[in-house]
Amino acid sequence: DGGITQSPKYLFRKEGQNVTLSCEQNLNHDAMYWYRQDPGQGLRLIYYSQIVNDFQKGDIAEGYSVSREKKESFPLTVTSAQKNPTAFYLCASIATGAHTEAFFGQGTRLTVV
Amino acid sequence: AQSVTQLGSHVSVSEGALVLLRCNYSSSVPPYLFWYVQYPNQGLQLLLKYTTGATLVKGINGFEAEFKKSETSFHLTKPSAHMSDAAEYFCARSSNTGKLIFGQGTTLQVKP
Repeated sequence: DGGITQSPKYLFRKEGQNVTLSCEQNLNHDAMYWYRQDPGQGLRLIYYSQIVNDFQKGDIAEGYSVSREKKESFPLTVTSAQKNPTAFYLCASIATGAHTEAFFGQGTRLTVV
Repeated sequence: AQSVTQLGSHVSVSEGALVLLRCNYSSSVPPYLFWYVQYPNQGLQLLLKYTTGATLVKGINGFEAEFKKSETSFHLTKPSAHMSDAAEYFCARSSNTGKLIFGQGTTLQVKP
């Protein structure tokens, strides 16, 4: 079945560590997105990529980095520069065309310990 | 600016009562509109979408939404709430950059 897979579902990070969240899709979608979700704040866009080897900052990119070396993969690294990384992270992909909806992964909950 | 406003961060209804979740968008050009549902610790799932054509859109789980251009609204309704409808709901719109713009979300509580 086609879909988006995020891993791991739960992740614990020590202070000062970098961690990488995985997002893989087999929907053949060109565009992929990373969102951060905090209680009461909706979805905030971190980074997005509309084509392989290209990506743009979203609204809250500071402390995060991404790569898009393959169409299927869009990993997100939460660096030690991100001061408050504890959150729920969602990856999504969208096919080309303005009327198409986003498909979401099941999310990764990151906790700083 | 293109935006989506969901009125009411929390809505509480009794089981069997009407569900009404409000969404307004800002745009000079009618966008494509979406409603998503999110259950705890899960991703978002598409409920329904409006692109063109019929302004009353039916979705999954008995939900529907009506696109009203004159009111720039896309409210989500369900005639009779079920306990399993308790979740967070997001309204979203397309943008001219290809990104989806989301509202802040509305948490629906269903009381027995």
